[in-house]
Amino acid sequence: DAGITQSPRHKVTETGTPVTLRCHQTENHRYMYWYRQDPGHGLRLIHYSYGVKDTDKGEVSDGYSVSRSKTEDFLLTLESATSSQTSVYFCAISGRGAAFFGQGTRLTVV
Amino acid sequence: DAKTTQPNSMESNEEEPVHLPCNHSTISGTDYIHWYRQLPSQGPEYVIHGLTSNVNNRMASLAIAEDRKSSTLILHRATLRDAAVYYCILRGNNNDMRFGAGTRLTVKP
Repeated sequence: DAGITQSPRHKVTETGTPVTLRCHQTENHRYMYWYRQDPGHGLRLIHYSYGVKDTDKGEVSDGYSVSRSKTEDFLLTLESATSSQTSVYFCAISGRGAAFFGQGTRLTVV
Repeated sequence: DAKTTQPNSMESNEEEPVHLPCNHSTISGTDYIHWYRQLPSQGPEYVIHGLTSNVNNRMASLAIAEDRKSSTLILHRATLRDAAVYYCILRGNNNDMRFGAGTRLTVKP
């Protein structure tokens, strides 16, 4: 395994509540990414980070915020969850070469 | 951002070679070509990447066209465990990585 852990692995939350997903790495990689994947679709980039406190938006960043206060942790926050944010969320880490993905977090917003 | 185009699906017979194509006609000189695959109910898995020269590793080979506007992922002997969605992506200087729909590979016994 590439030293990447996502938590929680499963979560059910109610519409309108805040939710934070955590991605933790032990590889000291510079780049970290958050994606969402909906049934039958590929991955869509939400936000990514290229260093501590350095982040940028991806394709589907509306409704999501991120923070990276230290190298090993990249947090994804849904400020007010909506049913359209029900999805599987993947975190990835990378240095200059290959990227490695976590096992995913299945989030259901009811 | 540069984009890639892949066939939606391909089929292969077990133990035969598979050539998965990818077009990236707007690639820039500093974009690396990456391939990942995603098995059912799993996160994506790195396969191979390259810049200009052909690359080989234990999983696959990557053949890059001389003009770099296309590339081909080669699985030398497909197994049932190679059935997955294969993604070709470009990674540029800003290091964001955007995935398309990929190619769903079916391997028939």
